[in-house]
Amino acid sequence: QSVLTQPPSVSGAPGQRVIISCTGNSSNVGADFDVQWYQQLPGTAPKLLIYETDSRPSGVPDRFSGSKSGTSASLAISGLQAEDEAVYYCQSYDGSFSGSRLFGTGTKVTVL
Amino acid sequence: QVQLRESGPGLVKPSETLSLTCTVSGGSVTSPTDYWSWIRQSPEKGLEWIGNIFYRGYPDYNPSLKSRVTISLDTSKNQFSLKLKSVTAADTAVYYCARDPTFWYFDIWGRGSLVTVSS
Repeated sequence: QSVLTQPPSVSGAPGQRVIISCTGNSSNVGADFDVQWYQQLPGTAPKLLIYETDSRPSGVPDRFSGSKSGTSASLAISGLQAEDEAVYYCQSYDGSFSGSRLFGTGTKVTVL
Repeated sequence: QVQLRESGPGLVKPSETLSLTCTVSGGSVTSPTDYWSWIRQSPEKGLEWIGNIFYRGYPDYNPSLKSRVTISLDTSKNQFSLKLKSVTAADTAVYYCARDPTFWYFDIWGRGSLVTVSS
């Protein structure tokens, strides 16, 4: 089964901007399926952060933004804060497996 | 607002069937727009979508698990359930139920239920 590849970790100082990449292929991200992003704090369930590639649910700060180009998507966190320290996952749909949703490998964001 | 809560045994023996139930509150499993999913998470496999169900349609399953999975609805109890047969240690994971409001993503998640497969 296909997977979406993310860097294992990224870090930044408070106030900085970090970017997390999510690389797929022509069956998923590259096939024009939307990408979602989730934030998972320790011991909790994932929380929807970005949906339909660049939309934020109510209550999510505009410091979080999403984009996509070709077979890759990105999550940018601007003005990094201590409470942003978490694991972030991307998610999309794979057209090569009927009805299969895919998750990324996860990226741990550390605030220095 | 809609809330989800998983329930079921935390320990299952190898070769037996894992059974979990998700109770929906603040919403209805017969919603004409919502799909209801099961997702699991383990250190080895990360997050893995298991399958979903829509009240008007047939369940849809991850091809890698399809031969062992059954997802069903109980509209009288406003619940949906997961059965995974012939489990092995590789099925040890935290199992989440989640709402899929448009078919494409998961906006509401339960707290998760740890299921360990061990004799």
